[in-house]
Amino acid sequence: EVQVVESGGGLVQPGGSLRLSCSASGFTFSSYAMHWVRQAPGKGLEYVSSISGNGDSTYYADSVKGRFTISRDNSKNTLYLQMSSLRAEDTAVYYCVKGGDKIQNNWFDPWGQGTLVTVSS
Amino acid sequence: EIVLTQSPGTLSLSPGERATLSCRASQSVSSNYLAWYQQKPGQAPRLLIYGASSRATGIPDRFSGSGSGTDFTLTISRLEPEDFAVYYCQQYGRSPLTFGPGTKVNIK
Repeated sequence: EVQVVESGGGLVQPGGSLRLSCSASGFTFSSYAMHWVRQAPGKGLEYVSSISGNGDSTYYADSVKGRFTISRDNSKNTLYLQMSSLRAEDTAVYYCVKGGDKIQNNWFDPWGQGTLVTVSS
Repeated sequence: EIVLTQSPGTLSLSPGERATLSCRASQSVSSNYLAWYQQKPGQAPRLLIYGASSRATGIPDRFSGSGSGTDFTLTISRLEPEDFAVYYCQQYGRSPLTFGPGTKVNIK
């Protein structure tokens, strides 16, 4: 079964840092792009960041560029999101999502259960 | 950036009725790289449709997608109680990958 499981969320003060992890199983992790998507309380889905299968290419939403860093360890089948200079507006459930091995199948499936990040003093 | 607009914002229907949800893109979506997702309260989103019209594995055939270019539609032929949820469209053909704001399907 293809599965992704996030961890690492929690309460952090404004200006602080946090690292999210996503453990993947059931597929050849290094062959697939991976993504982070977030959802603020009561709001819609917001794309955050992507990374290619080999890790050479990354992309960020403007709202997190320069503050968040996506990375992956293909030897551990794990995706990361290093978040720094956190703001109140970063408060959200963060979802790890499996993408495709090429643009033609880069839809988001499956999604993890999400991990809640709360930025508050 | 491709901006996706979904309409209506809220749809109030009864079980057994047909639901028609619209997703309009600000630019043509490359090769119909458009997906639809369903999200129920407290749950992660679930893929329903990819490539504008292909159903994901395990999705009932009452769900269908259509459209091309800038106009796309998700149709639920006969609403079941479990279909009342929020539906999002997404384009995955051009970075940044973007989502629509969602359509909430309510029980009337």
